[in-house]
Amino acid sequence: DAGVIQSPRHEVTEMGQEVTLRCKPISGHNSLFWYRQTMMRGLELLIYFNNNVPIDDSGMPEDRFSAKMPNASFSTLKIQPSEPRDSAVYFCASSQGTGGYIQYFGAGTRLSVL
Amino acid sequence: GESVGLHLPTLSVQEGDNSIINCAYSNSASDYFIWYKQESGKGPQFIIDIRSNMDKRQGQRVTVLLNKTVKHLSLQIAATQPGDSAVYFCAETYTGNQFYFGTGTSLTVIP
Repeated sequence: DAGVIQSPRHEVTEMGQEVTLRCKPISGHNSLFWYRQTMMRGLELLIYFNNNVPIDDSGMPEDRFSAKMPNASFSTLKIQPSEPRDSAVYFCASSQGTGGYIQYFGAGTRLSVL
Repeated sequence: GESVGLHLPTLSVQEGDNSIINCAYSNSASDYFIWYKQESGKGPQFIIDIRSNMDKRQGQRVTVLLNKTVKHLSLQIAATQPGDSAVYFCAETYTGNQFYFGTGTSLTVIP
């Protein structure tokens, strides 16, 4: 099993630019999660999907952030426009479903907004 | 001004010794717990889990203990090895889907 696959691994961009992070969950998993990790705030849940439907986006910082899951094997997290304070490591995780299942994490995307 | 980050508890142990990492969780209704290991530059990796109907669970070289009375979780690593050096997170859930992660403990194994 390839695990959760995220791309790119590193992204460096300038303030104001659009950034798109990508995630391919583990095949057969029907829940997908986007997290952000920073030294200041630790690991924060941004949004999660069940069966491709967004369930809870209360962790999304503001309207500049959006996430989509057009099908069971792909999700994107978009930041437009990006700001320096968005610099962080963004993780995607997937699990088999609800009711307390192990979440498996990707390797993350390290985003630097200059 | 000075930036303030999370204060990460640290633990240093000699190679071969046993390690105990502690976690206080916040919600008495939490019914499922996971320990994750995160190495530098990598994503959190599942180590072991435990449900609230159990007090103890053992894996390979690792044991998780759950004390619901005081809302405390611990991870014991036997015969700690240099490869165990990482940040360890406990995660709790009561919704079945949304996990809440602790701030983590940094473990350093001294060869």
